[in-house]
Amino acid sequence: QVQLQESGPGLVKSSETLSLTCTVSGGSISNYYWSWVRQSPEKGLEWIGYIYYSGGANYNPSLKSRVTLSADTSKNQFSLRLTSVTAADTAVYYCARVTMGGWYLDYWGQGTLVTVSS
Amino acid sequence: EIVLTQSPATLSLSPGERATLSCRASQSVSSYLAWYQQKPGQAPRLLIYDASNRATGIPARFSGSGSGTDFTLTISSLESEDFAVYYCQQRSDWPPRLTFGGGTKVEIK
Repeated sequence: QVQLQESGPGLVKSSETLSLTCTVSGGSISNYYWSWVRQSPEKGLEWIGYIYYSGGANYNPSLKSRVTLSADTSKNQFSLRLTSVTAADTAVYYCARVTMGGWYLDYWGQGTLVTVSS
Repeated sequence: EIVLTQSPATLSLSPGERATLSCRASQSVSSYLAWYQQKPGQAPRLLIYDASNRATGIPARFSGSGSGTDFTLTISSLESEDFAVYYCQQRSDWPPRLTFGGGTKVEIK
């Protein structure tokens, strides 16, 4: 059974960089795309982007200028960096696996709340 | 950007009743639509993909239909564990971009 676990600071200061890592167990990140999604009361579920295990990525146009995704097959992890954060970036951040060929999200982490403080 | 509009926002029903949830796309998404269930404090769970295919382990009381711009999720007979929020999601164009609907809350009447 594939399991995903997000990790990273729960509190980030405004204008700084949010960094999260998703560790995958029970399966390899190889041969899949992996995604980040966030959820806030204001915006609901918002797709951030996805990355292939070997490095190709695609981002939500609304966040593209601030987001970088990366993947590390040696650690079976993938990561999110979001720069210049504001209060609007406060949300629960989820990592998830993208289904092969379908572009749906079949395995999710439990989510981690990131609060941006001033 | 394709916008997904879900209705109603809230559905108040009793256990055993049939639930019908709607998701409308601002332009055709063919059959590239999924439904998720989310309970408080949990991540979304994939229920239906490609509009009508149940994901692994999803009970037969959940069914999806539709294509193009209009989609429906039906729960044939509500169980207590089905009271939750349901989201639709589509992928558009190439490279694919994912968007979610605003959700429908199914609550106990």
